[in-house]
Amino acid sequence: EGQLEESGGGLVQPGGSLRLSCVGSEFTFSSYWIHWVRQAPGKGLQWVANIKKDGTEEDYADSVKGRFTISRDNAKNSVYLQLNSLRAEDTAIYYCARALSVCNSGACYYYYQYMEVWGKGTTVTVSS
Amino acid sequence: QSALTQPRSVSGSPGQSVTISCTGSKSDIGDYHYVSWYQQHPGKAPKLLLYDIDKRPSGIPDRFSGSRSGNTASLTISRLQDEDEADYFCCSYSGPYVFGSGTKVTVL
Repeated sequence: EGQLEESGGGLVQPGGSLRLSCVGSEFTFSSYWIHWVRQAPGKGLQWVANIKKDGTEEDYADSVKGRFTISRDNAKNSVYLQLNSLRAEDTAIYYCARALSVCNSGACYYYYQYMEVWGKGTTVTVSS
Repeated sequence: QSALTQPRSVSGSPGQSVTISCTGSKSDIGDYHYVSWYQQHPGKAPKLLLYDIDKRPSGIPDRFSGSRSGNTASLTISRLQDEDEADYFCCSYSGPYVFGSGTKVTVL
């Protein structure tokens, strides 16, 4: 099924920057869209961004557009999320998630709209 | 885009069924079949339960089922078990991704 592991979280002052990393293993990383989803303390889930399997398309939530940038390096099985101009409301656990694949008789269909495999998350705290 | 509306909590006894509603609008749940449900236990990452309104990924038991009527999607958990106690989130994709506000399921 595969695994994902996030890193790069930490404490940062308002206006600061962080770069989160998400490394995949035990699956063909370059075949999957990857999403970032965050969860503020005690709150619900919020989709942040995603990137196409070859890195040619990316999309962002309005709340982070212009401040966050998603990228990937398939040679390193990695996706990155650059967080700039951070605000207190960006404080959250950040999860990366792999899109859904449904395989039958050796043929697989990939549903980029859904998040099947999740990492354990990395915590970002924005505070002075 | 506003979060989809879910009840804050639902409860049931082991063996019973519970249903969680997820209300959106015509521009998300009403016109698109990209509706999914996620289960999250405390301190854990979410887990995909249903996609395309009512399809289960491999390994998800058939106790979990989904449906849609108009602008409202629903998740039904049948034969409730202790391990079903968790938070549940719906999600709609219509260009942007919008999650529901979340429902805590308590097994009495």
